[in-house]
Amino acid sequence: DIVMTQSPDSLAVSLGERATINCKSSQSVLYSSNNKNYLAWYQQKPGQPPKLLIYWASTRESGVPDRFSGSGSGTDFTLTISSLQAEDVAVYYCQQYYNTLITFGPGTKVDIK
Amino acid sequence: EVQLVESGGGLVQPGGSLRLSCAASGFTFSSYWMHWVRQAPGKGLVWVSRINSDGSSTSYADSVKGRFTISRDNAKNTLYLQMNSLRAEDTAVYYCARITVTTSKFGMDVWGQGTTVTVSS
Repeated sequence: DIVMTQSPDSLAVSLGERATINCKSSQSVLYSSNNKNYLAWYQQKPGQPPKLLIYWASTRESGVPDRFSGSGSGTDFTLTISSLQAEDVAVYYCQQYYNTLITFGPGTKVDIK
Repeated sequence: EVQLVESGGGLVQPGGSLRLSCAASGFTFSSYWMHWVRQAPGKGLVWVSRINSDGSSTSYADSVKGRFTISRDNAKNTLYLQMNSLRAEDTAVYYCARITVTTSKFGMDVWGQGTTVTVSS
């Protein structure tokens, strides 16, 4: 199975400042046939189901604010919130779908400093 | 409105069984692969199982293989998870999720609100 790790476990950022979350996969999730990384990011607020934010490592889901961006390829990925808003307080998970056995990262909790 | 609604959770003794349901509406259910994902109290997301659009292919996490069975009834727009030989470590909120995999999009883009399963004596 592909193991996903995330860092940091948690972070606190001032309103309007940048938040950066890293995700690493134990093997590449880049499909050479279409040059796409099968890596997604989800946001989960307390008491709510997860919400898809980013797919193919860098494509924003419809309706997701442009302060959210994803980058990276192969095994190393980053989710950036360019200007943290109060409503962004949540746990963020990366997920790989390179093979049938999907795996999630352990999550990164983002709070306001 | 595109929606998934889970039901069937509850309190069950270790070794017992439970069947979860996930009712889909607002989209062509039979066109989508579906997944179950669970979340133990205070913990992260864990993928459990998936089924293809016509029900002919399934996959399971090692932790539930041989105990859980995923199925679907496209005529009833409903996804199921039959859980047998339940253990304390199966205690979690269980979410069903639709996955969209096309040339223009990929991801679990629709989730239910979850149903809680508690395994305890």
